[in-house]
Amino acid sequence: GDSVTQMEGPVTLSEEAFLTINCTYTATGYPSLFWYVQYPGEGLQLLLKATKADDKGSNKGFEATYRKETTSFHLEKGSVQVSDSAVYFCALSLSYNFNKFYFGSGTKLNVKP
Amino acid sequence: GAVVSQHPSRVICKSGTSVKIECRSLDFQATTMFWYRQFPKKSLMLMATSNEGSKATYEQGVEKDKFLINHASLTLSTLTVTSAHPEDSSFYICSARDARAGAYEQYFGPGTRLTVT
Repeated sequence: GDSVTQMEGPVTLSEEAFLTINCTYTATGYPSLFWYVQYPGEGLQLLLKATKADDKGSNKGFEATYRKETTSFHLEKGSVQVSDSAVYFCALSLSYNFNKFYFGSGTKLNVKP
Repeated sequence: GAVVSQHPSRVICKSGTSVKIECRSLDFQATTMFWYRQFPKKSLMLMATSNEGSKATYEQGVEKDKFLINHASLTLSTLTVTSAHPEDSSFYICSARDARAGAYEQYFGPGTRLTVT
């Protein structure tokens, strides 16, 4: 079935370190891929998205490239800040049913000064 | 930006009682709202899709008589957990789709922590 798998956390980094959070997916059809971020006490916010293969989503220094050949959508940032500490969710939705989102289990990122 | 609120943020109730959670889109109209449940260290699980003015569509394995959903207006959907039991304790999150925006974008509320004692 359709699903998303992302690396388990927590991930702890020092400020200005490079970040990678792995995400792979299984999908029938042609999915759109998303990264959501959840700051403490807040709802999920869309961080970036990509709707077709080889698209790169980017926002706030974060990037992710839709890789159809490896069914991946890894999140990267070159230099993390303490303010990036949050839980990150990878998700997909299918072209024939945009109502249904499949989420990964979330990866908690802790950035230390 | 699009804001979705939930009320209450936390609720504790006794086993056997019912509790209602509200989800509101504050600055846009939402023809479709969604209810998710999040278990500790687990992903969000879609429970049901709520369409304004019609019956909600429940995902497989979700008891519609236990989790009553009402979407009476374009800005409000409610989830009522009836005859709650400790196993219903969880984090419930709603989201809403702005009819004006892209079909695949959902805006999420901050969630409601339900504890059943």
